[in-house]
Amino acid sequence: DARVTQTPRHKVTEMGQEVTMRCQPILGHNTVFWYRQTMMQGLELLAYFRNRAPLDDSGMPKDRFSAEMPDATLATLKIQPSEPRDSAVYFCASGLVLTREATEAFFGQGTRLTVV
Amino acid sequence: KNQVEQSPQSLIILEGKNCTLQCNYTVSPFSNLRWYKQDTGRGPVSLTIMTFSENTKSNGRYTATLDADTKQSSLHITASQLSDSASYICVVSAGTGRRALTFGSGTRLQVQP
Repeated sequence: DARVTQTPRHKVTEMGQEVTMRCQPILGHNTVFWYRQTMMQGLELLAYFRNRAPLDDSGMPKDRFSAEMPDATLATLKIQPSEPRDSAVYFCASGLVLTREATEAFFGQGTRLTVV
Repeated sequence: KNQVEQSPQSLIILEGKNCTLQCNYTVSPFSNLRWYKQDTGRGPVSLTIMTFSENTKSNGRYTATLDADTKQSSLHITASQLSDSASYICVVSAGTGRRALTFGSGTRLQVQP
């Protein structure tokens, strides 16, 4: 049963601390997305990778967020230093290219981050 | 400005009934439109992806329609079940890249016994 695995599922941290969220994409998928979801903003795309290379990370605040794919089985999203406004659910999704126009994304369960 | 508007914002229906959710968009140029189902506390699950040339696509009891001329899409749920209670999100893509994706705010559906 292939699925995207995210860890941790929940994280509570103090403002100013570093937070690292991890994602294991579905084996064989070559596209990885990071999304953030809040009640106010809904879903928003932060960054995505294809073949481990960042294609677009313009959705992330560059001074505090960083996203990497050290290998094909691991994607990380790091926040340093964290701020209360970063509190949200962070989803990772891995993608299967269907056509030139469409990539289907399979979402993980999310990491619920609370910064106090 | 690219926008995706979904209606209704929330909907309550009785189990076994049908319902239709609406998605209107002003995204240009249009690449594809997706419907996602998101259960509370879980990640979104893709229901359908529709490109410009597709008018209708079904996935079990879910049927999505697309009218590229009027820039409208609908998601019809047939014979609703309690497990259909979720948020349904419409996402329109104008191509590649983060800025190409425009998200709707979702319709919250509750199916009651």
